[in-house]
Amino acid sequence: DAKTTQPNSMESNEEEPVHLPCNHSTISGTDYIHWYRQLPSQGPEYVIHGLTSNVNNRMASLAIAEDRKSSTLILHRATLRDAAVYYCILRSPGSGGSNYKLTFGKGTLLTVNP
Amino acid sequence: DAGVIQSPRHEVTEMGQEVTLRCKPISGHNSLFWYRQTMMRGLELLIYFNNNVPIDDSGMPEDRFSAKMPNASFSTLKIQPSEPRDSAVYFCASSLRQGGYEKLFFGSGTQLSVL
Repeated sequence: DAKTTQPNSMESNEEEPVHLPCNHSTISGTDYIHWYRQLPSQGPEYVIHGLTSNVNNRMASLAIAEDRKSSTLILHRATLRDAAVYYCILRSPGSGGSNYKLTFGKGTLLTVNP
Repeated sequence: DAGVIQSPRHEVTEMGQEVTLRCKPISGHNSLFWYRQTMMRGLELLIYFNNNVPIDDSGMPEDRFSAKMPNASFSTLKIQPSEPRDSAVYFCASSLRQGGYEKLFFGSGTQLSVL
């Protein structure tokens, strides 16, 4: 399975942008890049995903390097509610050919200071 | 939509007892996943189903663990007998698989404590 590398923790100030990096140098051509986050005492929630092009949604933006070996999740204005563990995940092919599974790593713990 | 519903939210049991965790996926979703989360090991995928069929159970720790999905709206994860090292938060997630992209929706989890 393709692996991802993320910093263990990052800190930000409220109302400032946050750039969360992820390295995935062994990504394959068909792997999607997914980002999930887990707020305290909750299950993970989907943030964004992409394949090759940069993506934007109401929660965040995803910037993907041209060689796809790294990506960055961008929170444009961090709020206290954005404090969470952020997971960068590559979709891995599971057993059975066309069936896939998401494998979570350790993620990045984001602290947002008021 | 009520989202993925898990029950119970908390379970405290004694070593050796049988534990059954329950999950109701989002209506219309065709994939279901069971994850376990601990401080030491993080989020581990235990098993996942596609169209009610178990596809990959390689993450199930041992024979004490079993999972079933009798229909599209219900799944169980059973531990028999339970051991203290099974203490963890167990999450159920469901998704609608469409080609190469899917978004997982997680439940609130079941906090299991085995004494």
